[in-house]
Amino acid sequence: RKEVEQDPGPFNVPEGATVAFNCTYSNSASQSFFWYRQDCRKEPKLLMSVYSSGNEDGRFTAQLNRASQYISLLIRDSKLSDSATYLCVVDAGKSTFGDGTTLTVKP
Amino acid sequence: DTAVSQTPKYLVTQMGNDKSIKCEQNLGHDTMYWYKQDSKKFLKIMFSYNNKELIINETVPNRFSPKSPDKAHLNLHINSLELGDSAVYFCASSQVPGTYGYTFGSGTRLTVV
Repeated sequence: RKEVEQDPGPFNVPEGATVAFNCTYSNSASQSFFWYRQDCRKEPKLLMSVYSSGNEDGRFTAQLNRASQYISLLIRDSKLSDSATYLCVVDAGKSTFGDGTTLTVKP
Repeated sequence: DTAVSQTPKYLVTQMGNDKSIKCEQNLGHDTMYWYKQDSKKFLKIMFSYNNKELIINETVPNRFSPKSPDKAHLNLHINSLELGDSAVYFCASSQVPGTYGYTFGSGTRLTVV
């Protein structure tokens, strides 16, 4: 089993839709969790950290479920500019990247 | 000012050659990393240095040798390049490993022909 697993997608959604990605992890000792965004042929950029209490940044909401060992990212009111690959990262002394979920938002 | 800069941006070279990629960060971070992203877009850690000391060394062929002259620089030297080394190599840095996330450089696209 992979340490960090994501549904690769692709997710194709219309503008304005709400879309959610999940990411499961296998190491229960994991302490830190993040979502990154990577545009085509660019470097990954930190989108948001994921806290135990959940956190929100504008249209983006991240949640952590330690009991079930997954993190989620919810994007509301999708914009064309949200099209990208979303990578979850789990850190248990070493950061492990998921393989990414590709999102395409269409007009 | 670029926070994490790596050079060159593109590198095309023949099999068997030796090449280096350089990385510098001006964020004052203590930890730097090299990641490899292959054609399937999977991002895998190769090495990590904390204040010039090697702390992570994943299963990477010993043709790859990182060097950190100081905590702001982490270079990657690759000997005897092979076709399978073709990938995008990203340098990254972080202040406290695993706590605040990484800042990545823009990547070096290596093509071995």
